[in-house]
Amino acid sequence: QVQLQESGPGLVKPSETLSLTCTVSGGSIINYYWSWIRQPPGKGLEWIGYIYYSDSSSGSTNGNPHLKRRVTISGDTSKNQFSLNMSSVTAADTAVYYCARDGVSGGFDIWGQGTMLTVSS
Amino acid sequence: EIVLTQSPGTLSLSPGERATLSCTASQSVSSNFLAWYQQKPGQAPRLLIYGASTRVTGIPDRFSGSGSGTDFTLTISRLEPEDFAVYSCQQYGSSPTFGQGTKVEVK
Repeated sequence: QVQLQESGPGLVKPSETLSLTCTVSGGSIINYYWSWIRQPPGKGLEWIGYIYYSDSSSGSTNGNPHLKRRVTISGDTSKNQFSLNMSSVTAADTAVYYCARDGVSGGFDIWGQGTMLTVSS
Repeated sequence: EIVLTQSPGTLSLSPGERATLSCTASQSVSSNFLAWYQQKPGQAPRLLIYGASTRVTGIPDRFSGSGSGTDFTLTISRLEPEDFAVYSCQQYGSSPTFGQGTKVEVK
């Protein structure tokens, strides 16, 4: 079955750029929407953005209006991966970051285990 | 942006009791594009319900979703020990947003 695995540095300094990668196994990333979602400690979930591949060449993206100017989502169909870059991070960006698949019928139906990202000097 | 407000924040119940969780949207959720998730400590959320009332394959029928427009409900008919967790609603009719969650705890 399809599985997702996030990877990242764990710790980023304030004002730097956060970079995370999600590796998809057990299925292709083509023809699905793939999202990044985060959850600050003790708080609710926040959608960051998605990437969609209709073929192997180009992906379309969209993002949370509150985060859009700091967020870039990209992907590599040859590696079956997609990535999140978030610039100018602050302590408020400290959270567990999840990658997830947008289900065809609705909702996010498959999630990675999540990776904790701490912003601290 | 559609804001989802869940109530109550915490629900203290005993196994076997009925749980009723509410999710209210700041504006109508188009086509009832509303989902419910269960999350246990240290785990990723698990999708339970989509389209406001359709259970995901494998989810026990004690979980049911209802509602339309701005008011939605998740009902757990008889709580099992494994049901004590945090439940979140999410709308996907526009830029996705989540509620802040309802914790169902053992009384």
